[in-house]
Amino acid sequence: DQQVKQNSPSLSVQEGRISILNCDYTNSMFDYFLWYKKYPAEGPTFLISISSIKDKNEDGRFTVFLNKSAKHLSLHIVPSQPGDSAVYFCAASGLRGSQGNLIFGKGTKLSVKP
Amino acid sequence: ETGVTQSPTHLIKTRGQQVTLRCSSQSGHNTVSWYQQALGQGPQFIFQYYREEENGRGNFPPRFSGLQFPNYSSELNVNALELDDSALYLCASNSAGKFNEQFFGPGTRLTVL
Repeated sequence: DQQVKQNSPSLSVQEGRISILNCDYTNSMFDYFLWYKKYPAEGPTFLISISSIKDKNEDGRFTVFLNKSAKHLSLHIVPSQPGDSAVYFCAASGLRGSQGNLIFGKGTKLSVKP
Repeated sequence: ETGVTQSPTHLIKTRGQQVTLRCSSQSGHNTVSWYQQALGQGPQFIFQYYREEENGRGNFPPRFSGLQFPNYSSELNVNALELDDSALYLCASNSAGKFNEQFFGPGTRLTVL
């Protein structure tokens, strides 16, 4: 049973527009959420994170929004650039007794077209 | 500052064999975690090592085992390989207590025939 779900396997966006990647989770005990970006033949690279006590975190072109009541978070990329094309993973952590265990979604492949 | 490195890059084994994968943690990091990423899936936590001791384990059978050395590098050993063990194996390191700041290596692609 998946605890972190990314229901869109792929997303295509025009350069300069906004990319919105979504993630849902089932366990209300998660206290930290992260987004990783992965290029082919490379390991995941940390992008941005948010604590469960916040509802928004912004870093340059990247903003993560957390809606705890809906158990939903989203990553906004504005403006999207061709170099943003990659697989984006949502991850959650913080379950008691499972420190360090990041639970990942299946990923969303973002394609940004020039 | 040296990042997380893994070896080998690719590996082909046959069912029933044993394999050892290696990971060097990022400079200053003393905690290493291993993940398995099957095709089309997200990484799945195997286990974590801190100060040479296993510090948490995911839902993987005992034939998946590991070691951490005094220099914080780590090995993942898999015995009695099965076809479903074919995957990308990722190593991640972090400094003590900073579990949410895990830095990943490029992975080892294991193919079991």
